[in-house]
Amino acid sequence: QQQVRQSSQSLTVWEGETAILNCSYENSAFDYFPWYQQFPGEGPALLIAIRSVSDKKEDGRFTIFFNKREKNLSLHIKDSQPGDSATYFCAASWSNYNVLYFGSGTKLTVEP
Amino acid sequence: DMKVTQMPRYLIKRMGENVLLECGQDMSHETMYWYRQDPGLGLQLIYISYDVDSNSEGDIPKGYRVSRKKREHFSLILDSAKTNQTSVYFCASSRDSNTEVFFGKGTRLTVV
Repeated sequence: QQQVRQSSQSLTVWEGETAILNCSYENSAFDYFPWYQQFPGEGPALLIAIRSVSDKKEDGRFTIFFNKREKNLSLHIKDSQPGDSATYFCAASWSNYNVLYFGSGTKLTVEP
Repeated sequence: DMKVTQMPRYLIKRMGENVLLECGQDMSHETMYWYRQDPGLGLQLIYISYDVDSNSEGDIPKGYRVSRKKREHFSLILDSAKTNQTSVYFCASSRDSNTEVFFGKGTRLTVV
């Protein structure tokens, strides 16, 4: 059973648009939700993360919106750039447990 | 420079051969992980190690074993590799729970 789901395998936006990547999860005990960015040939790297006590986390052009009641979250990439083209993984874990559960990823393409 | 290093980066093995994937980290992290990444499935946890000789199975441990004799090194062993173990394998480490997980660049293993 997939504990973390990403609804889109791929997403294409134009440069300057806001890309929205969606994620949902099963386990209501999850309280930590990082998003990882992966470029081809590289390992995933932490982009931004949120804890369940917050409903929004912003870092530059990247914002996470979190809905605990609905058990979903989304990553918004404002003013998308071609350099943002990558695969984005939503992940989840809970306190005092090191394991991250990953979604299957969304491949974002930003067209110039 | 915080780093997780994986060797080798590419490997081709015949079915039935033994495979050793090596991983090192220079951050003195207690926790280390082995994940595999397959298209459409995201990253799946094979094993987690909480410290030297303190290893636990992840979600897909069958066909794999691990060894951690020094905090900075974590090995993944495939005894008698199978074609369905063709994948990209990522090693990762973290300081403790709910902190950033650092990934290596991956090892692309092909079993023919």
